[in-house]
Formats: sequence, structure tokens, C-alpha cells
Amino acid sequence: EAQVTQNPRYLITVTGKKLTVTCSQNMNHEYMSWYRQDPGLGLRQIYYSMNVEVTDKGDVPEGYKVSRKEKRNFPLILESPSPNQTSLYFCASSLTTSGNTIYFGEGSWLTVV
Amino acid sequence: GDSVTQMEGPVTLSEEAFLTINCTYTATGYPSLFWYVQYPGEGLQLLLKATKADDKGSNKGFEATYRKETTSFHLEKGSVQVSDSAVYFCALTGGGATNKLIFGTGTLLAVQP
Repeated sequence: EAQVTQNPRYLITVTGKKLTVTCSQNMNHEYMSWYRQDPGLGLRQIYYSMNVEVTDKGDVPEGYKVSRKEKRNFPLILESPSPNQTSLYFCASSLTTSGNTIYFGEGSWLTVV
Repeated sequence: GDSVTQMEGPVTLSEEAFLTINCTYTATGYPSLFWYVQYPGEGLQLLLKATKADDKGSNKGFEATYRKETTSFHLEKGSVQVSDSAVYFCALTGGGATNKLIFGTGTLLAVQP
């Protein structure tokens, strides 16, 4: 089954404790990205990657890092989480950037206290 | 920059009522337009899309027509069901290097039996 898988789905952590949200897709997609969803703001892109070893900032990259060492994986790293990073995070992927359908993971609820 | 504006919710309807959720956009060029749905506790699912003017996207009884002259992509369904209760997001992408989806803020639909 074609899917985008994120882990963990739910996490409560403390300010400053590094964490990683993993994302994996099994569709051999070149393009992957991360979004955060906040009430009243919709979804906003954090980072994206057009292929292995190629990443770039989206609209709200501050406080986040990413890496793309393998085509299927695109982890989101919060080096020193802060309460304003409490949000619902979605990983997404598509075959290429040329208007292909974008598939989303089920989301990761992150609370930073 | 590109943007999407959709009607604020919540929208509360009785079962079998007619649904319209308004969506208008601002974009340079010729974007592709999407409706995504988020059921309670789940991730985002693509509901329908349209890639050029006058295209009609349809799925599960929902329809939306890409209207370039009014820059709109309103979502409609003739007879809603309780199972349609969800948050609906209108979005656009111009493709290109980022393939970034620009989302509206989402509209909560609650259908009562």
C-alpha cells in the first residue's frame, strides 16, 4: 500500500530536549516536505527536498532542521524545541515537483512544555 | 504572494442538505487547485483537484470547478451525510521548484443527523 509514515504520532516533550520526527514513503517519490498546522493559519511549509541531499527552506524554517540521506526518508529535527513549536506536523511527498499529487502522512501531534 | 481564502466555519448542516464551501485564490500564473479533507484524528486526504481553467474535479459526490474569471474553486455537494463531517482545506500550487501547497485556513463542517 502506498503511504507516507510518520513517527511518533503523539509526543509530549520538554523545552530544549532534542527530538526527531521520522518520515518515510514507499512510493519512490523524489519530492518530500514538512508542514505544520496551526489553528487559524492552515498548513505552512517548513522545509522541502527535491531529491537526495537537496533540501531547502520553506516559509517557517526557524527552529527546524532536516536531512535527506536516502530517497525514502526525510526526518524533521528540532534541536532545541520551544513551546511555540507545539503543533500538528505533516510530512508529504510527491513523485516530482511538476504538479503531481501530493500525499500526506497521518500527522504528528507535538506538545512542548 | 500566492494566497487562498476560504469561508470560515464552522458550517453546520442537517443530513441531506446542500453544501457549498467558498474558496477564492490569488496567484500568478496558472496554479493547480485542490481540496483536501481531514477527518477527525486523521491526516490529510486529497479529495479532488483541477489543473486548468474550467476543469471540474469530483470525488465521493463532491465537486469543484476551476473558475479563472472569478479566481474561485468552490466545493459543493448535493446531499451531505454525517460521515462528511470533517475539516476541508482549499489549496493551490504553482508547481515549480518548491511544489509548495498554499493552504486556506480550513473550514469545519459538522453534519447533524
